[in-house]
Amino acid sequence: SAVISQKPSRDICQRGTSLTIQCQVDSQVTMMFWYRQQPGQSLTLIATANQGSEATYESGFVIDKFPISRPNLTFSTLTVSNMSPEDSSIYLCSAEGLADGTDTQYFGPGTRLTVL
Amino acid sequence: DQQVKQNSPSLSVQEGRISILNCDYTNSMFDYFLWYKKYPAEGPTFLISISSIKDKNEDGRFTVFLNKSAKHLSLHIVPSQPGDSAVYFCASWGGTYKYIFGTGTRLKVLA
Repeated sequence: SAVISQKPSRDICQRGTSLTIQCQVDSQVTMMFWYRQQPGQSLTLIATANQGSEATYESGFVIDKFPISRPNLTFSTLTVSNMSPEDSSIYLCSAEGLADGTDTQYFGPGTRLTVL
Repeated sequence: DQQVKQNSPSLSVQEGRISILNCDYTNSMFDYFLWYKKYPAEGPTFLISISSIKDKNEDGRFTVFLNKSAKHLSLHIVPSQPGDSAVYFCASWGGTYKYIFGTGTRLKVLA
């Protein structure tokens, strides 16, 4: 399995500001993903973070709003830009494709974001 | 369009009894299914999976059953313990090469 950490664990932000969330995996992984979980809803995939190239975004999510970086095989960041109260959510990163060859996705603990 | 559905938002079970959590999917391309457990303030943790070539997979107290014709899977926990109280998500993979999650079922095991 993999140990995934996220920073910050939670934050309260003002409307119009931006927040960058960091995700660190303790081993090299093939795939990293960013999800959002809004209250009472399922985990929704925002994008796949591609190492060395632009992230692949799901329908309804755009790079200008959620820029993502993945400089290497163990680290990724998600920025929530120009925030509004509708962005209040839990943001989770996940990783897949460990050296053990499993297809299981492992999740970080999440970042709870509240936008005022 | 919710391709993975967990129609019971919550479930309460007495300690020692069986917990059955259900999940329905709509896409016949899905060929791999997982269950995740989530405690408050933590990320989901992998519990058990099943491939579409099987109809049952067992791991200790946890068994997942897959009924492909009905596009239905279920997670059985026997015996249920208070520490099993959590939100359980089913997830499907296949076709679009990404996981699709259900909305979750909150299980409460009563001591």
